[in-house]
Amino acid sequence: NAGVMQNPRHLVRRRGQEARLRCSPMKGHSHVYWYRQLPEEGLKFMVYLQKENIIDESGMPKERFSAEFPKEGPSILRIQQVVRGDSAAYFCASSPGRGIYNEQFFGPGTRLTVL
Amino acid sequence: DQQVKQNSPSLSVQEGRISILNCDYTNSMFDYFLWYKKYPAEGPTFLISISSIKDKNEDGRFTVFLNKSAKHLSLHIVPSQPGDSAVYFCAATFSGGGADGLTFGKGTHLIIQP
Repeated sequence: NAGVMQNPRHLVRRRGQEARLRCSPMKGHSHVYWYRQLPEEGLKFMVYLQKENIIDESGMPKERFSAEFPKEGPSILRIQQVVRGDSAAYFCASSPGRGIYNEQFFGPGTRLTVL
Repeated sequence: DQQVKQNSPSLSVQEGRISILNCDYTNSMFDYFLWYKKYPAEGPTFLISISSIKDKNEDGRFTVFLNKSAKHLSLHIVPSQPGDSAVYFCAATFSGGGADGLTFGKGTHLIIQP
């Protein structure tokens, strides 16, 4: 059973470009979470999605960031018009259900560098 | 506003000794706490958790203690092994719904010396 997969593992963008980060959850998991880790910081929750629905986006920046989890295919975190402050590691996690007793399994992360 | 604090960025412990990692929280709504371990270039992996109805939970070499009145928890690893060298994150959430994401501390880098 493959774990959570994220790609690309490393992404370099120039200021103003778009970044697309992909996350394939573990088999059988329909719940996906995105977290961001800035340098020297802990992981910060961004958004929680179930298939085709955004459930909780309380940690998502109001502008330039969006997320989706379509019926088919991976979850996508999209950052438009990237700025240097977007440079961070972005982690995706998946779980089989909602709530504290459903463990979140993390992917290896995508390291975004904005030049 | 850091709701989960890990005040020691790093900790060095000799192999075979006990490692104690500390974590404090400020949000009294938190009632479920987790520890994650992270190696470089990998995602965090779940280690152990504790509900606020307990004050201790043990799993092999790992024990988590919770002091609700002090809003403090600690992770004990005994005996410490070289493979335990990693960054350890404390995380918290509340079971009552409405909080789907975990709130993490900044992490403590544990180094096990041979």
